[in-house]
Amino acid sequence: NAGVTQTPKFQVLKTGQSMTLQCAQDMNHEYMSWYRQDPGMGLRLIHYSVGAGITDQGEVPNGYNVSRSTTEDFPLRLLSAAPSQTSVYFCASSYDGTGWYEQYFGPGTRLTVT
Amino acid sequence: AQSVAQPEDQVNVAEGNPLTVKCTYSVSGNPYLFWYVQYPNRGLQFLLKYITGDNLVKGSYGFEAEFNKSQTSFHLKKPSALVSDSALYFCAVSFQGGTGRRALTFGSGTRLQVQP
Repeated sequence: NAGVTQTPKFQVLKTGQSMTLQCAQDMNHEYMSWYRQDPGMGLRLIHYSVGAGITDQGEVPNGYNVSRSTTEDFPLRLLSAAPSQTSVYFCASSYDGTGWYEQYFGPGTRLTVT
Repeated sequence: AQSVAQPEDQVNVAEGNPLTVKCTYSVSGNPYLFWYVQYPNRGLQFLLKYITGDNLVKGSYGFEAEFNKSQTSFHLKKPSALVSDSALYFCAVSFQGGTGRRALTFGSGTRLQVQP
């Protein structure tokens, strides 16, 4: 199993550009989520999904969109990039959405917005 | 509101000494509590969790954590630290969001430095 994969590893955007961060898992997990990690702030939840076709907002959803058309994929879209979105982004998956099970994290995408 | 606090930004300990990384939480209902570790330029890795049952839970790499309901704490411990334990440690709590679905909220992280 590849586990959770994320592409790209690094990205530089100009303010106002849009892009999609890709996330895929091959463990048949129901639950997937996106976090951003900023120094001194831990990980903050952006959006999450408990299954194909079902998504919910997390703590910091503004400026980001998600969709879940398949169990495997959970892309994160930045609509109009801003410097405040400079961060490291992690995708994670878990067996289901009960909260009982640990999350598996991808290697991260380091995004810089200039 | 649900929250997790890690009061120490950094913990320094000598190799071979016991270590403790502190975590307190505030959540309504029964908490599901987790510890994760992050090595440089890597994603987070699961260490251990408390869902129910015995208050002392054991996890990967010799780590353990004690759930204390009265003090709303879930401190991470290890009897004898290794230099290779040096990393960033995150406490997390699973809570039920506004839609009734569960999500995970993280503390700000504690950097553990083990000196040889």
